[in-house]
Amino acid sequence: GENVEQHPSTLSVQEGDSAVIKCTYSDSASNYFPWYKQELGKGPQLIIDIRSNVGEKKDQRIAVTLNKTAKHFSLHITETQPEDSAVYFCAAFETGGSYIPTFGRGTSLIVHP
Amino acid sequence: DAGITQSPRHKVTETGTPVTLRCHQTENHRYMYWYRQDPGHGLRLIHYSYGVKDTDKGEVSDGYSVSRSKTEDFLLTLESATSSQTSVYFCATTDYTSGNTIYFGEGSWLTVV
Repeated sequence: GENVEQHPSTLSVQEGDSAVIKCTYSDSASNYFPWYKQELGKGPQLIIDIRSNVGEKKDQRIAVTLNKTAKHFSLHITETQPEDSAVYFCAAFETGGSYIPTFGRGTSLIVHP
Repeated sequence: DAGITQSPRHKVTETGTPVTLRCHQTENHRYMYWYRQDPGHGLRLIHYSYGVKDTDKGEVSDGYSVSRSKTEDFLLTLESATSSQTSVYFCATTDYTSGNTIYFGEGSWLTVV
């Protein structure tokens, strides 16, 4: 099955800095890579995703990059704000195939004012 | 947001008792999942369903069973609760009709004493 490794487990930055979270996956059949943000006491919510036919995607201050050859993808947050503080999860799975999402262990992002 | 409702949201139960968590969705999604979330482990798949009466085991299925008699409902049963099953349980759904976005419920906090 798929295995997703996520680093770092904790990331502390100053407001206005950039934050980068990295994930690697093992199954070359995976073709969909979403990122989720989880606030305290709530369920994870999708913030951005990327498919295997795309190398980069941006949405305002958030971007995701994918390197299929190396089997890794990254979340980039620029100009961080205190409200970005949360736990972030990456995931990988094969749509049209097994449809079993595998998640990384999560990164706790802390943005200091 | 997708209409995913989990019940109960909070429960305290005694060791050895059976417990059933319910997930109800209004999106008509084919795929449904039960994850448990524990510190340091992220989201781990317990069981999943790919259609009515079609279910399969995830990576941490021991001690759990599921049933899906209707598209909208996915039940998770702890046959005889143990303290190691104290956790936060999340239901999730997806389908190609929603662009493969995984939608999560708000979580069920279970404490086994």
